[in-house]
Amino acid sequence: DGGITQSPKYLFRKEGQNVTLSCEQNLNHDAMYWYRQDPGQGLRLIYYSQIVNDFQKGDIAEGYSVSREKKESFPLTVTSAQKNPTAFYLCASSTLPEGGYTFGSGTRLTVV
Amino acid sequence: AQSVTQLGSHVSVSEGALVLLRCNYSSSVPPYLFWYVQYPNQGLQLLLKYTTGATLVKGINGFEAEFKKSETSFHLTKPSAHMSDAAEYFCAVSVLNQAGTALIFGKGTTLSVSS
Repeated sequence: DGGITQSPKYLFRKEGQNVTLSCEQNLNHDAMYWYRQDPGQGLRLIYYSQIVNDFQKGDIAEGYSVSREKKESFPLTVTSAQKNPTAFYLCASSTLPEGGYTFGSGTRLTVV
Repeated sequence: AQSVTQLGSHVSVSEGALVLLRCNYSSSVPPYLFWYVQYPNQGLQLLLKYTTGATLVKGINGFEAEFKKSETSFHLTKPSAHMSDAAEYFCAVSVLNQAGTALIFGKGTTLSVSS
């Protein structure tokens, strides 16, 4: 079945460490997105990519980096520059503007 | 710039009662509008969407929404709530012909259903 796979489901990071969250899709969607979710704040856009080897910053890109070397994959790195990384991270892909998004099941990142 | 406002961060209803979740948007061009549902520790699932055509849109699980351009609204309704409807609901907007535009989400409304 087609879908989006995010891994790991839970991730713990020590202060000062970089961590990478994986997102893979087999839906043949061109566009992929990363959102951060915090209680009461909805989903805030971190980065998005419309095509391979191209991506744009969203509203809260500081402290994050991405790559899009393959259509199927859009990994997100949370760097040590991100001061408050504890959150729920959601990856999505789409056939915008009409198709809406298909979401992964999320990664919960906790700083310890 | 586009934005979405969901009125009421928390809505409580009794089982069998009408569900009404409010969403207003701002957009300088005709929008595409979406409602999503999220259960705890899961991703978001598409409930319904409005693109063009009929302004009353029917979705999954008995939900529907009406696009009212004059009121810039896209409220979500369900005639009779079930316990399984308890979840968080997000309204979102995207705009045609803006290359690189992503969905903009509201802050969400948590729906509680009591027996």
